[in-house]
Amino acid sequence: TQLLEQSPQFLSIQEGENLTVYCNSSSVFSSLQWYRQEPGEGPVLLVTVVTGGEVKKLKRLTFQFGDARKDSSLHITAAQPGDTGLYLCAGAGSGYALNFGKGTSLLVTP
Amino acid sequence: NAGVTQTPKFQVLKTGQSMTLQCAQDMNHEYMSWYRQDPGMGLRLIHYSVGAGITDQGEVPNGYNVSRSTTEDFPLRLLSAAPSQTSVYFCASSYSGGVSYEQYFGPGTRLTVT
Repeated sequence: TQLLEQSPQFLSIQEGENLTVYCNSSSVFSSLQWYRQEPGEGPVLLVTVVTGGEVKKLKRLTFQFGDARKDSSLHITAAQPGDTGLYLCAGAGSGYALNFGKGTSLLVTP
Repeated sequence: NAGVTQTPKFQVLKTGQSMTLQCAQDMNHEYMSWYRQDPGMGLRLIHYSVGAGITDQGEVPNGYNVSRSTTEDFPLRLLSAAPSQTSVYFCASSYSGGVSYEQYFGPGTRLTVT
């Protein structure tokens, strides 16, 4: 099993603040995905990064894949209460099965 | 397009009972998976299927059976429920193209075993 470690585990911030969530591994992944999960619902895919060094932007969210394809980060600019949720990273190796991190629980208060 | 649907949404079982969690997708995805989500443990893969008639074990398969007779359906069977199987179960599907295997998740089944 290729372990993915996410940090921080919990994050509570005020609306308007910036934050970064990290996803690290000692293994190389062919691609890495970020999901957001709201309470009582299934995870929803936000983005997939494939190329080392790749940066993708989704409105106020910026995703980066490390050059060595072992780590990734998610940066949120000017967080809003609607960003509240559990953020999960998942790495794809050589086969179908994804390896999920344990998640970062984000709470954004007005 | 309903995506991935799961039934039931909630279930309470007594230890030793058996049941089947239903999962269906209408996106014609080849790949389907079952995960369980426990506090502090993240999502763990139970079983998966890369096509009708083909299944394989994931990280935590013990106590669960699956079968895949059609592309659309992928039921998960609990043979003899145990309190350790109290969890939230998610079914997911993905298309077979590319290298990413992006998952489309259902809304989950919250199972309590007493």
